[in-house]
Amino acid sequence: DAKTTQPNSMESNEEEPVHLPCNHSTISGTDYIHWYRQLPSQGPEYVIHGLTSNVNNRMASLAIAEDRKSSTLILHRATLRDAAVYYCILRDQDDYKLSFGAGTTVTVRA
Amino acid sequence: ETGVTQTPRHLVMGMTNKKSLKCEQHLGHNAMYWYKQSAKKPLELMFVYSLEERVENNSVPSRFSPECPNSSHLFLHLHTLQPEDSALYLCASSPRSLGPNTEAFFGQGTRLTVV
Repeated sequence: DAKTTQPNSMESNEEEPVHLPCNHSTISGTDYIHWYRQLPSQGPEYVIHGLTSNVNNRMASLAIAEDRKSSTLILHRATLRDAAVYYCILRDQDDYKLSFGAGTTVTVRA
Repeated sequence: ETGVTQTPRHLVMGMTNKKSLKCEQHLGHNAMYWYKQSAKKPLELMFVYSLEERVENNSVPSRFSPECPNSSHLFLHLHTLQPEDSALYLCASSPRSLGPNTEAFFGQGTRLTVV
């Protein structure tokens, strides 16, 4: 499985943007980049995913580097409810499972 | 509400007990998963079922026995567990046939304590 590297933790102020980096230097051409988050005492929930182009949805934006060796999850205006562990995961066309790393713990200050 | 329901939400069992965890989804998904999350550790994939057939077993001890009677239901049968098996057990489902360009849905988990 291709690996991802994320910072252990990040802090943000409420109402400010949060940029979560993820390095995946060994990504293959068919790997999709997925982001999930896990709020305290809950199961993970899907945030966003992409292949090559930047993606936007109601929760976040995903910016993918041109060489695809890194990506950034952007939370445009952090709220207290965004405090969670955020996971960056690669999935290839033959891999229908999700393999989780340690993720980034995001703390949002009021 | 994710569409994946796990019961019970909390379970306390003795080391000699036999219990089962249940997972149910009516999303039309054909792949289902069991994960274990111990305190302060990443999620560990335990079992994967695709089209009701077990396709992955990640060296899980035999005291954990999965069962997938149909595409909507997944069970994890537990017997003679150890205290170190105490963890959050999470079920997930996804539409396997759509490959990696799709999302997985997780249940809220069962918090298991072995005493």
